[in-house]
Amino acid sequence: DADVTQTPRNRITKTGKRIMLECSQTKGHDRMYWYRQDPGLGLRLIYYSFDVKDINKGEISDGYSVSRQAQAKFSLSLESAIPNQTALYFCATSQAGGEAFFGQGTRLTVV
Amino acid sequence: GENVEQHPSTLSVQEGDSAVIKCTYSDSASNYFPWYKQELGKRPQLIIDIRSNVGEKKDQRIAVTLNKTAKHFSLHITETQPEDSAVYFCAAVRNEKLTFGTGTRLTIIP
Repeated sequence: DADVTQTPRNRITKTGKRIMLECSQTKGHDRMYWYRQDPGLGLRLIYYSFDVKDINKGEISDGYSVSRQAQAKFSLSLESAIPNQTALYFCATSQAGGEAFFGQGTRLTVV
Repeated sequence: GENVEQHPSTLSVQEGDSAVIKCTYSDSASNYFPWYKQELGKRPQLIIDIRSNVGEKKDQRIAVTLNKTAKHFSLHITETQPEDSAVYFCAAVRNEKLTFGTGTRLTIIP
């Protein structure tokens, strides 16, 4: 089945470390998104990309960067992790005007 | 940017009763309004959506209504069942950017 896959699924890292979360999809979608989920705050958009070489900031991009290496791959990096970046991170994909499909999520803990 | 408010944050209903979740949005240019269900430990999944040229849409026990003038939309679940227990998110979409509400935790009491 075509799917959206995130790696790793769980990660514990130390404050100040650089970490990369990866997302790949076999749906053939051109739109890809990174969201962060915190209790009581819903899903907040970090970055999004409508095509390779297209990168756009979302509402909470500070402290994060992304790379769209190919149509199927969209990576999220935390350059210097801090404890308040502890959260559940979701990658999502969509086609123009269509439904968004989410990955399984990456639970990140910064200690 | 778009702002989506969702109420209530928690909702408990007796099995078989109806549940209603309401959202308001701020950007009149938003034109697509999906609803996602997230079961414990799982990813959000689309359950129903509505576009701005439609006032109501129904799919079995689930319906969504949209009032563009008032900029609010609602999810209605009838004849609730235990498997309806989950967190529900509304979203408003403009230029393919999804802005989500803060979620409603729905608990169905057997």
